[in-house]
Amino acid sequence: LAKTTQPISMDSYEGQEVNITCSHNNIATNDYITWYQQFPSQGPRFIIQGYKTKVTNEVASLFIPADRKSSTLSLPRVSLSDTAVYYCLVGDGPYNQGGKLIFGQGTELSVKP
Amino acid sequence: DTAVSQTPKYLVTQMGNDKSIKCEQNLGHDTMYWYKQDSKKFLKIMFSYNNKELIINETVPNRFSPKSPDKAHLNLHINSLELGDSAVYFCASSPSSAGHEQYFGPGTRLTVT
Repeated sequence: LAKTTQPISMDSYEGQEVNITCSHNNIATNDYITWYQQFPSQGPRFIIQGYKTKVTNEVASLFIPADRKSSTLSLPRVSLSDTAVYYCLVGDGPYNQGGKLIFGQGTELSVKP
Repeated sequence: DTAVSQTPKYLVTQMGNDKSIKCEQNLGHDTMYWYKQDSKKFLKIMFSYNNKELIINETVPNRFSPKSPDKAHLNLHINSLELGDSAVYFCASSPSSAGHEQYFGPGTRLTVT
């Protein structure tokens, strides 16, 4: 499974757009990119998944360049409640073996008033 | 409606004791997991069951024994607890053994004294 690298922490202010970039230089052809969000004292929550180009849902957007060696999670107009740890994962989903998720250290996002 | 529930939420016990953590999901999913999150926030998969059958068994001390009485339940029993077992344990489930979208429970904080 490809290793991911993301910033350890980021600060932002309410109402701003936040972009968290994840590097995955050795991503394999059949690997998908998935992001999870974890609030303090809660389990991780699936946010978004993509393979290439751009994916958007009601929570976030995921931008993946053509070489797929990195990806950017974009959170529009963050609020204080978006303060959480964000994990980038890479693996051969939706056909991965046994549903094995490999979590890295994550990015701790702090949103200030 | 609680999708993935765990009991207890907190567990404080002494070294050498045996304890169990229970997990139940009402999502109708086929696959369930146990993860361990240490003090540095790293999440690591321990076990995965698909339709009551063990499919992932990571390098975990054999003091840890999962048991799945049916596909809606996956319990974790820990024998001879050690200080290093202190962590937050998360249960998760997914519709199948493929794919990266997993639903996590609220976690059980285990403290071994």
